[in-house]
Amino acid sequence: QVQLVQSGAEVKKPGASVKVSCKASGYTFTTYDITWVRQATGQGLEWLGWMKPNSGDTVYSQKFQGRVTMTRSISTTTAYMELSSLRSDDTAVYYCARIRWSGSYGSFDFWGQGTLVTVAS
Amino acid sequence: SYELTQPPSVSVSPGQTASITCSGDKLGDEFVCWYQQKPGQSPLLVIYQDSKRPSGIPERFSGSNSGTTATLTISGTQAADEADYYCQAWVSSSVLFGGGTKLTVL
Repeated sequence: QVQLVQSGAEVKKPGASVKVSCKASGYTFTTYDITWVRQATGQGLEWLGWMKPNSGDTVYSQKFQGRVTMTRSISTTTAYMELSSLRSDDTAVYYCARIRWSGSYGSFDFWGQGTLVTVAS
Repeated sequence: SYELTQPPSVSVSPGQTASITCSGDKLGDEFVCWYQQKPGQSPLLVIYQDSKRPSGIPERFSGSNSGTTATLTISGTQAADEADYYCQAWVSSSVLFGGGTKLTVL
């Protein structure tokens, strides 16, 4: 069965970076793109960007361009999301999800369990 | 900037039909997805491509999209359907989410 298992909670200081992992199993890692979405406590969903595991190509939300980096390891079927220059308002649960494409439109059909990133001094 | 607008809350009695809307400029020209999120859980895809249900999603969930409004309809609403619901669309190669609607079944 398809599973996306994320790394554990992180506590970071303002200005630091955080790298969250997302290990995929139950399907061929390189045939489905991965997206990252975050959610602050009590708030809605916010999209960070997506990555093609096959090529490593990425598309980032304009809001996070320059601060977010998405990478992957094909050998370990793991996707990574690194966010730099952390601020207190980056405190949120970060999710990875698999993209199911229908032409040029994608839906997110399987999600990781989420990783809480807390930014505090 | 483009926004997807959802009502903050919708209430429905058990067994009745719940409708949750998502509005955006020319939204009918795009495909819309819907996600259900229960407290402490990850989002779950319930509708994609406006009206298609993923495997395992009950038939009581349906969707439509026309003009400026997409609608998620839950027929015969059950207590288990109480959750937050988010619409999602792709606009200019970027993903947008609506602000979310809290569905209360009472």
